Amino acid sequence: GENVEQHPSTLSVQEGDSAVIKCTYSDSASNYFPWYKQELGKRPQLIIDIRSNVGEKKDQRIAVTLNKTAKHFSLHITETQPEDSAVYFCAPINFGNEKLTFGTGTRLTIIP
Amino acid sequence: EPEVTQTPSHQVTQMGQEVILRCVPISNHLYFYWYRQILGQKVEFLVSFYNNEISEKSEIFDDQFSVERPDGSNFTLKIRSTKLEDSAMYFCASKPTGSGELFFGEGSRLTVL
Repeated sequence: GENVEQHPSTLSVQEGDSAVIKCTYSDSASNYFPWYKQELGKRPQLIIDIRSNVGEKKDQRIAVTLNKTAKHFSLHITETQPEDSAVYFCAPINFGNEKLTFGTGTRLTIIP
Repeated sequence: EPEVTQTPSHQVTQMGQEVILRCVPISNHLYFYWYRQILGQKVEFLVSFYNNEISEKSEIFDDQFSVERPDGSNFTLKIRSTKLEDSAMYFCASKPTGSGELFFGEGSRLTVL
């Protein structure tokens, strides 16, 4: 099955600085690359996604970059705020089998 | 905005008892999923369901687990004989056709004593 890893597993960032989380995956057939945010005690929610025909996508303070050749994609958060503190999961999918495997998770803490 | 709903929000059960967790996916979604999350750990795939049958399942989804769509709206996860290690948050999710985005319910916390 798909092997999905995230680095780092924990990340502490001063408020206002940037954070980058990397996701590596094994299934070269993956063609959709989302990032989910899970606040403490809540459900995961999609924050940004990218398809395999695009290298980068931005939405205000968050962006996702994709390197299909190297099989990794990254979440970038700029001008971090306390409400960005959460666990972030990547979940690359191959639309052919509909099985979404979540990454190992990254706990991001924003230090005020 | 339509949401995935789950019941119960929290269930406490004795080891060896059967548990049924219920989910109502978003009405026009055709793909349904169960995931579990042990406290502090990652979200683990259990099973996906499409067209009234299981399309994928993980190694975790052994003979103790089953899923059912008993009517046009509910999607249930049954654990036949619960074990201590089944204690976790169980998330139901649904997905529309042609999209990769999963919509999660708020989860059902299962505590096995």
